[in-house]
Amino acid sequence: SYVLTQPPSLSVAPGQTARITCGGDNIGVKTVHWYQQKPGQAPVLVVYDDGDRPSGIPERFSGSNSGSTATLTISRVEAGDEADFYCQVWDNIDEHRVFGGGTRLTVL
Amino acid sequence: EVQLLESGGGLVQPGGSLRLSCAASGFTFRSYSMSWVRRAPGKGLEWLSIISGSGSKIHYADAAKGRFTISRDNAENTLFLQMNSLRVEDTAVYFCAKDREMLQGSLISSESFDSWGQGTLVTVS
Repeated sequence: SYVLTQPPSLSVAPGQTARITCGGDNIGVKTVHWYQQKPGQAPVLVVYDDGDRPSGIPERFSGSNSGSTATLTISRVEAGDEADFYCQVWDNIDEHRVFGGGTRLTVL
Repeated sequence: EVQLLESGGGLVQPGGSLRLSCAASGFTFRSYSMSWVRRAPGKGLEWLSIISGSGSKIHYADAAKGRFTISRDNAENTLFLQMNSLRVEDTAVYFCAKDREMLQGSLISSESFDSWGQGTLVTVS
């Protein structure tokens, strides 16, 4: 099965840039999506197709994908960005959608 | 406005069964693939199953295969998840999720989830 590896946690000061990584075997050839989930709420799609933003998502959220790592970048981090973030791809071998283990972003 | 409303969760004993429902509105339900995703306490998101808009394509995660069955009623705009032989480790909040894009009822495997329900809690104890 295809495994996506995320750091369990990341802490960033307000106004700084958060970079959340998602590692996978040759993930650069896959299409990666990113979700934000706050406590007690449903996940929200923040980046799709590696680097596109749904309407309503601030430009501060961006994504990239190359080689063995996809990255979600959050610029000018705000207290309200504090949440769990997940990457997601399609595993074409097992025909599954797969989530990474998630990264808890803490705003200091 | 897309709305997804799950129901059917609750407390069940190990070995028991539950049927979850997800009532959809605000979009052409029959055109979109739908999935079930869960989040267990202290764990991350786990994809369970997907069904194409027409219902002809279905895939399951290993955790769901053989015990869970996904289905849909396009006339009633409702998605279902029949869960049998439930285990303590199935305790989680279960979400239904809609694919962002559609392909005339077919499955776009690499697609994302652009709308989610609020979730329904299943407790196996």
